Amino acid sequence: GAVVSQHPSWVICKSGTSVKIECRSLDFQATTMFWYRQFPKQSLMLMATSNEGSKATYEQGVEKDKFLINHASLTLSTLTVTSAHPEDSSFYICSARHGGEPGELFFGEGSRLTVL
Amino acid sequence: AQTVTQSQPEMSVQEAETVTLSCTYDTSESDYYLFWYKQPPSRQMILVIRQEAYKQQNATENRFSVNFQKAAKSFSLKISDSQLGDAAMYFCAFSQGAQKLVFGQGTRLTINP
Repeated sequence: GAVVSQHPSWVICKSGTSVKIECRSLDFQATTMFWYRQFPKQSLMLMATSNEGSKATYEQGVEKDKFLINHASLTLSTLTVTSAHPEDSSFYICSARHGGEPGELFFGEGSRLTVL
Repeated sequence: AQTVTQSQPEMSVQEAETVTLSCTYDTSESDYYLFWYKQPPSRQMILVIRQEAYKQQNATENRFSVNFQKAAKSFSLKISDSQLGDAAMYFCAFSQGAQKLVFGQGTRLTINP
């Protein structure tokens, strides 16, 4: 099946620094990737839709200047949390659509961000 | 906007028994997809089963089956012969074609040995 990989799986940073999370589709090309955020014991909330070669589409309430998304190639999307604060600590999950199955998404392993 | 509701925050079942997880959704569209995803403690999202709205036949995958009631906008998941490895968070999700997945709040399933 389609494989999506995220890196790093766990990152700790100091408040005020920036952190980059990578999402790669390993065995397929993904023109669209999605970034979700999950707080403990809660559901996945869509942050933004990442389209290769164009600007990301952010969900209402998500700060585009704080959560920078770049989708420079068909296999890589990055999420950069700028000037991170403790309230940004969360589990970030990316997903990509595999062209063979309409609607179905394949998910990365997730990245746990802890901001001190 | 589409919404997905899971009214059972937690469920438990005895090993080898059957359990049903509930999900309702709201949409004005007629063509869409419904999914159940499993999230074990590792946090990796795993697709359990999917249903295309245009199909009347309920989807089945081994011990997992759904009861899709399109008119009632209901999409429940039945797990038969529950196993310890089925313990996880289960999320119901809705998608319209190539658009984003919208998730329900989740149901935490516990399997009692």
